[in-house]
Amino acid sequence: AQSVTQLDSHVSVSEGTPVLLRCNYSSSYSPSLFWYVQHPNKGLQLLLKYTSAATLVKGINGFEAEFKKSETSFHLTKPSAHMSDAAEYFCVLSGTYKYIFGTGTRLKVLA
Amino acid sequence: DVKVTQSSRYLVKRTGEKVFLECVQDMDHENMFWYRQDPGLGLRLIYFSYDVKMKEKGDIPEGYSVSREKKERFSLILESASTNQTSMYLCASSLSKGLGSFDEQYFGPGTRLTVT
Repeated sequence: AQSVTQLDSHVSVSEGTPVLLRCNYSSSYSPSLFWYVQHPNKGLQLLLKYTSAATLVKGINGFEAEFKKSETSFHLTKPSAHMSDAAEYFCVLSGTYKYIFGTGTRLKVLA
Repeated sequence: DVKVTQSSRYLVKRTGEKVFLECVQDMDHENMFWYRQDPGLGLRLIYFSYDVKMKEKGDIPEGYSVSREKKERFSLILESASTNQTSMYLCASSLSKGLGSFDEQYFGPGTRLTVT
């Protein structure tokens, strides 16, 4: 069975410090994986995607993620948090005829 | 840039009313999706469509129907709105990659529906 697990429901960081949002997946074949961000009362915006071309994927707004097959992980990172990064983040796997969403991680950025 | 638009950002309806939520995408995507998002429950798939006039039930289709008469438009219909359908509704579209797999989804801004 395919699944996505976001390991933290809430993460707090100080402005200017690194961000790490963790995502583990389970899939019997090589998956496509995505990270989305959702600001309050808005739709989801694609941050980046992994589709087997390169294991380190760079996205918008300084975010990147590394696909690690041996660890079945696809963690999202950013070197330096900005106040505008405060939002909810979703890790998503493209399964067979459906998408599988993680439960989301709410990122809080402290001034 | 892909654009997915939804007919309303906010909607207030009365119990028992028939409600139409419209979604339009401008990038010739085969697949379109309707989700609802509720606090603590994440995104749940209501219906999706992988071609014109085709539809598939998602995880929570009860109380909803859909229509896709044109490739760019996917409508969600609440036949008789109830208070437990108060929610944020998100539409999305995507390209197919073959063998039942999809490329990334593009989401609309959402419609916050309140049923009183």
